Amino acid sequence: GAVVSQHPSWVICKSGTSVKIECRSLDFQATTMFWYRQFPKQSLMLMATSNEGSKATYEQGVEKDKFLINHASLTLSTLTVTSAHPEDSSFYICSALTGGKLFFGSGTQLSVL
Amino acid sequence: SQQGEEDPQALSIQEGENATMNCSYKTSINNLQWYRQNSGRGLVHLILIRSNEREKHSGRLRVTLDTSKKSSSLLITASRAADTASYFCATDESNYKLTFGKGTLLTVNP
Repeated sequence: GAVVSQHPSWVICKSGTSVKIECRSLDFQATTMFWYRQFPKQSLMLMATSNEGSKATYEQGVEKDKFLINHASLTLSTLTVTSAHPEDSSFYICSALTGGKLFFGSGTQLSVL
Repeated sequence: SQQGEEDPQALSIQEGENATMNCSYKTSINNLQWYRQNSGRGLVHLILIRSNEREKHSGRLRVTLDTSKKSSSLLITASRAADTASYFCATDESNYKLTFGKGTLLTVNP
């Protein structure tokens, strides 16, 4: 099956720093990827849709200047959490679309101190 | 806005028993999907049922969909300890943008 690699698996950073999370489709090309965040014991909330070669589409309430998304190639989308604060601590998961199916990365646990 | 709502929120059963989880949603959908998530990990797609389907099977999984009631159920038969995980339903209204429910935490005791 299709594999989506997400890196890093976990990251701890100081408040005010920026953190970049990568989502790669290893054995397929994905023109569309999605970014979700998940708070402990809660559901996944869609943050944005990442389209290769164009600007990401953000869901209502998600700050685009806070969560920068770059989908520069057909196999890579990145999410940068800028000026991270403790309330940004969460589990971030990406998914990539291919052949009408979605494949998810293993997630990134972000802890902002 | 939250779409899928699962119940129960948590379910604890013995190995060999069946586990049933329910999901309700609010709007029209293209399809409904069920996912599994082990603690702190990514999601694994289990099964997809289209809006014009009423029942679907995959191994020990059985999914039903009632679009008139806007509800779905996931049945796991002959459960195993390895089935312990959180299970989420997700609705696809359009363009593969999924709206996830709150999930059911299933614990299967050996």
